[in-house]
Amino acid sequence: DQQVKQNSPSLSVQEGRISILNCDYTNSMFDYFLWYKKYPAEGPTFLISISSIKDKNEDGRFTVFLNKSAKHLSLHIVPSQPGDSAVYFCAASPMDSNYQLIWGAGTKLIIKP
Amino acid sequence: SQTIHQWPATLVQPVGSPLSLECTVEGTSNPNLYWYRQAAGRGLQLLFYSVGIGQISSEVPQNLSASRPQDRQFILSSKKLLLSDSGFYLCAWSHRGGAGQPQHFGDGTRLSIL
Repeated sequence: DQQVKQNSPSLSVQEGRISILNCDYTNSMFDYFLWYKKYPAEGPTFLISISSIKDKNEDGRFTVFLNKSAKHLSLHIVPSQPGDSAVYFCAASPMDSNYQLIWGAGTKLIIKP
Repeated sequence: SQTIHQWPATLVQPVGSPLSLECTVEGTSNPNLYWYRQAAGRGLQLLFYSVGIGQISSEVPQNLSASRPQDRQFILSSKKLLLSDSGFYLCAWSHRGGAGQPQHFGDGTRLSIL
């Protein structure tokens, strides 16, 4: 039973345009959502997070939007750069846990020059 | 600043051999520590986590074990490796307490069982 889903295995975007990565969840008992970026043969790197009481959080080129009614969040990268090519993971933190993260399967983002 | 070291980067082991992967964290005290495995094309599966020395919780039954002999040291072990143990193993740490604490990862170990 996948509680966090990233339905697009891959996404290709032109350099300079906006990249939008999507994530859906099935459990309303998450209080934080996090996005990670992963290069091949490296560990994931934390990018940005959002509390469930907010609907938007911005950090430089990265913005995360949360739509609680739709149980959907998205990561926007503007403008997209070649170094953004990586696998992006969405993760959710359950309210009843201070250690657990529930992970999506990841979306591979390819930035075309 | 905090850093996490994980080694070796790659490892090739025969079936039935033992395993020891080590992870150390610097620049913080009393961290939560985690071992994950990532199968190809899939998300991260939590194997073990620890909230303190000698305190280990297992998430998935398997022939692996973990130990935390020191505050900032986390070890993943096996007495006899199986073919199904092949994968990418990641160690991570986070600050204690408070929801939504991000986890910070090492560079991983690519384990191949022959």
